[in-house]
Amino acid sequence: DIVLTQSPGTLSLSPGERATLSCRASQSVSSNSLAWYQQKPGQAPRLLIYAASSRATGIPDRFSGSGSGTDFTLTVSRLEPEDFAVYYCQQYGTSPPVTFGPGTKVDMK
Amino acid sequence: EVQLVESGGGLEQPGGSLRLSCTASGFTFNIYAMTWVRQAPGKGLEWVSSVGGGGRTTYYADSVKGRFIISRDNSKKTVYLQMNSLRAEDTAIYYCGKSSHDYVWGPDRHFDSWGQGTLVTVSS
Repeated sequence: DIVLTQSPGTLSLSPGERATLSCRASQSVSSNSLAWYQQKPGQAPRLLIYAASSRATGIPDRFSGSGSGTDFTLTVSRLEPEDFAVYYCQQYGTSPPVTFGPGTKVDMK
Repeated sequence: EVQLVESGGGLEQPGGSLRLSCTASGFTFNIYAMTWVRQAPGKGLEWVSSVGGGGRTTYYADSVKGRFIISRDNSKKTVYLQMNSLRAEDTAIYYCGKSSHDYVWGPDRHFDSWGQGTLVTVSS
């Protein structure tokens, strides 16, 4: 199974700052198999990015995804107050299982 | 607007059974695979099971294989998760998710809509 590792575990930033979140896979992942989700306390996850770099419907353009192979990045260009949350990467390929990273918490400094 | 509403969670003893339901609206249900993902208290997300749009193909995480059964009734726009031989480690919020495609596996797959979840607690 492909194991996803996310870093850092927690990112403490202020509104307006840039957030850079990393997701590393234990083996090469097809770019069209990598997605990012946002989860706020008490809420369901929300799809942000799919196929490594495509924004989901309704997602602001301050969110962007990049990467290939084993290294992927989610960038939030300027943090808004509503962006403080936990972010998960996910690989979902051509065979089971689907796997998620352990998450990166972005909290307010 | 896509809506997914889960139900059926609750408190059950170890070894017991529960059936979760997820009723969908706002999209053509029978042309999308559906999935269950769970989240133990204070933990991350874990994929549990998926079923193809036609209901004939099903897949399970190793942690639930042989104990859980996923199914769907397209006439009722509902997906089910029959949970048997429950263990304490099955305690979690169970989320229903809509896949981006009909077939479960392939390129560009992701979960584009989620329900609010239903809590399952397994304890004596």
